[in-house]
Amino acid sequence: AQSVTQPDIHITVSEGASLELRCNYSYGATPYLFWYVQSPGQGLQLLLKYFSGDTLVQGIKGFEAEFKRSQSSFNLRKPSVHWSDAAEYFCAVGALNAGGTSYGKLTFGQGTILTVHP
Amino acid sequence: DGGITQSPKYLFRKEGQNVTLSCEQNLNHDAMYWYRQDPGQGLRLIYYSQIVNDFQKGDIAEGYSVSREKKESFPLTVTSAQKNPTAFYLCASSIGTSATGELFFGEGSRLTVL
Repeated sequence: AQSVTQPDIHITVSEGASLELRCNYSYGATPYLFWYVQSPGQGLQLLLKYFSGDTLVQGIKGFEAEFKRSQSSFNLRKPSVHWSDAAEYFCAVGALNAGGTSYGKLTFGQGTILTVHP
Repeated sequence: DGGITQSPKYLFRKEGQNVTLSCEQNLNHDAMYWYRQDPGQGLRLIYYSQIVNDFQKGDIAEGYSVSREKKESFPLTVTSAQKNPTAFYLCASSIGTSATGELFFGEGSRLTVL
């Protein structure tokens, strides 16, 4: 079974500073990886996803993530954080069904809460 | 606009009562999901359905029940057998057996047991 670990429960950065949120996964085959963001009391919004090809993927709101198979990691980065980026971030890995195609049954990490200081 | 609507947003329940959370989508998605969110534990899958009149248990199905009589609707019942039902519940949908696996989420329902 797949699993996801987000080592950092809470990260605090200053506005304008760079950001990296860590994500490590465990999965026997090629993973389908996602980053979602959640504002307080809201649902989750997809930031970006990786399926294959270029290991550096671009997402919305200026975020990017890099897939490193050798390290089983899919870290999320942003060069300059804005106060509106304060939220909780979730990394997730997608499962494959018997037919070899993915569907939306995801395994999520525990989440990382991002606080941004002015 | 297309999306997922969950209701109610807040719900209070006395111990021993069953409650039903509503989830409706107009995205024409085949698959629907219920996740439970607790602080520091991420999201855990309760039930999912890939097609009408069919659904499967997720990782924490005990004490919950679902139905999928219509493509647009996937209600979740939290029964009195659920030992710790206070949580934030998220409904989601996806296109189905596509290669993307992207989930679209509702805004959630917060259940508090008094």
